[in-house]
Amino acid sequence: EPEVTQTPSHQVTQMGQEVILRCVPISNHLYFYWYRQILGQKVEFLVSFYNNEISEKSEIFDDQFSVERPDGSNFTLKIRSTKLEDSAMYFCASSYRQALNYGYTFGSGTRLTVV
Amino acid sequence: AQSVTQLDSQVPVFEEAPVELRCNYSSSVSVYLFWYVQYPNQGLQLLLKYLSGSTLVESINGFEAEFNKSQTSFHLRKPSVHISDTAEYFCAVSKNYGGSQGNLIFGKGTKLSVKP
Repeated sequence: EPEVTQTPSHQVTQMGQEVILRCVPISNHLYFYWYRQILGQKVEFLVSFYNNEISEKSEIFDDQFSVERPDGSNFTLKIRSTKLEDSAMYFCASSYRQALNYGYTFGSGTRLTVV
Repeated sequence: AQSVTQLDSQVPVFEEAPVELRCNYSSSVSVYLFWYVQYPNQGLQLLLKYLSGSTLVESINGFEAEFNKSQTSFHLRKPSVHISDTAEYFCAVSKNYGGSQGNLIFGKGTKLSVKP
């Protein structure tokens, strides 16, 4: 069964450093998403991406965050200057269409620890 | 705005016992409802969903959930659990955009621990 692949599974970074989280969505999917889960809290929507541009973003997704689909296969989330409160599990997801019957496929997540 | 409340953060049960994982939501608009499951070291997987029609929905592995509009609930049940059901379960809602998929709003999750 096709999978969404996220790398690395765990990343530790120093506060103030830039970090890039990588995702390889399912090859024929057209919609891409990032969610995050701070330990003990809810999974929260960050951003959705379609046709090489952001289609929606939450208030969490401020100027420190950016997304890119650099080469037609990868989908990346960049945090420019990490803060302690960015420590969370970050989930990438993709879907073929926005119609509900298609659903999302989630990756297994990247645990980001900012020290 | 929509919100989802999962009242139990952890639910320990013995194998073959029944289980209910509770989920309540609030929304001023029509929503779709979902249960996702996360097994250790894996991604979130869709377990079942309510879009319209029959208020009782079932998954292929014996779970079922019932949409109760008056109580704004979507509780997940299984009459007899297995060790392999040990996982974290997330309830989620999505705004009803007339067939299009809105962003998912999740609850905090419930960790189901099945003991032999």
